[in-house]
Amino acid sequence: DAKTTQPNSMESNEEEPVHLPCNHSTISGTDYIHWYRQLPSQGPEYVIHGLTSNVNNRMASLAIAEDRKSSTLILHRATLRDAAVYYCILRDVMFSGGYNKLIFGAGTRLAVHP
Amino acid sequence: NAGVTQTPKFQVLKTGQSMTLQCAQDMNHEYMSWYRQDPGMGLRLIHYSVGAGITDQGEVPNGYNVSRSTTEDFPLRLLSAAPSQTSVYFCASSYSSRGVHHEQFFGPGTRLTVL
Repeated sequence: DAKTTQPNSMESNEEEPVHLPCNHSTISGTDYIHWYRQLPSQGPEYVIHGLTSNVNNRMASLAIAEDRKSSTLILHRATLRDAAVYYCILRDVMFSGGYNKLIFGAGTRLAVHP
Repeated sequence: NAGVTQTPKFQVLKTGQSMTLQCAQDMNHEYMSWYRQDPGMGLRLIHYSVGAGITDQGEVPNGYNVSRSTTEDFPLRLLSAAPSQTSVYFCASSYSSRGVHHEQFFGPGTRLTVL
């Protein structure tokens, strides 16, 4: 499985944008880039995913480098509720009759200051 | 929908005891999985199921058994608890459609301590 590299921790102030980086230099052509986050004492929750093009949803934006070897999760205006561990995960989502596992790393712990 | 539910929320066991962690989902998802999360670490896959009657091992299956008799339920059994199994356990479910796997939905977790 291709691996990702994320900073251990980042800090932000409330209402400011946050850019969470992820490196994945060994990504394969059919790997989608997924982001999940885990709020304190909760299970992970899906944030966003993409393949090649930048993606937006109500939670965040995902910017993917042209060579796909890195990506950035963008929270446009951080709130205190966004304090969580953010996981960048590569997953081949094409169905091959099996089960394409999510492999979690340690993620980036985001602290948001009032 | 209740989503993915797990019981109990907390459990303390003595070494050698057995128990079953319960997981249920009401979204008719075909895939279900169990993870454990040790302090400061990411989640590690224990076992997973691609449908009723079909299970397989993940990264860290030793000491755990699973079965999937219905689409809704996916219990995790600890056969003889050890202190190394002290962890937080998460259950997840997901589905596929049109050749694509969709995102996983996670339960709230069970915090297990083995003394």
